[in-house]
Amino acid sequence: EPEVTQTPSHQVTQMGQEVILRCVPISNHLYFYWYRQILGQKVEFLVSFYNNEISEKSEIFDDQFSVERPDGSNFTLKIRSTKLEDSAMYFCASSLDRGRYQPQHFGDGTRLSIL
Amino acid sequence: AQSVTQLDSQVPVFEEAPVELRCNYSSSVSVYLFWYVQYPNQGLQLLLKYLSGSTLVESINGFEAEFNKSQTSFHLRKPSVHISDTAEYFCAVSSDSSYKLIFGSGTRLLVRP
Repeated sequence: EPEVTQTPSHQVTQMGQEVILRCVPISNHLYFYWYRQILGQKVEFLVSFYNNEISEKSEIFDDQFSVERPDGSNFTLKIRSTKLEDSAMYFCASSLDRGRYQPQHFGDGTRLSIL
Repeated sequence: AQSVTQLDSQVPVFEEAPVELRCNYSSSVSVYLFWYVQYPNQGLQLLLKYLSGSTLVESINGFEAEFNKSQTSFHLRKPSVHISDTAEYFCAVSSDSSYKLIFGSGTRLLVRP
């Protein structure tokens, strides 16, 4: 069964540094998402992406965050200047369509630790 | 605004016993409801979903959930659990106005022999 893959599984970065989290969505999917889960808290929506542009974003997704689909397979989340509070598990998801009948498929996540 | 509440952070249960994981939601619009499961060191996997139609939905591994609009609930049940069901279970909601998923805080199901 096709999977969403995320790399790396664990990323350790110094505060203030830029970090890029990578995702390879399922190949025929058209909608892409990033979520995060701070330790002990809920999984939170960050951003959705379709047709090379952001379709929706949350209040968390401020100017420090950006997403990109640099080629036909990768979908990346960049944090420009990391803060301690960015430490979390980041999940990428994709869906075939945005309709309600198309479930979101999640990757195994990247654990981001900011020192 | 939509929200999801999972009342139990952890549910310990003995193997072969029944279990119910509770989920309540609040929304002013029609919603779609989901249960996701997360096994240790893995991502979120869709367990089952309610979109429309029959209020009772089932998964392939014996779990079922019932959509109750009057009680705004979508509780997850299994009549007999296995050790392998030990995992974190997340209830989530979305709607036609926004396809983002809004998650509950999760319930850790701990099945003991």
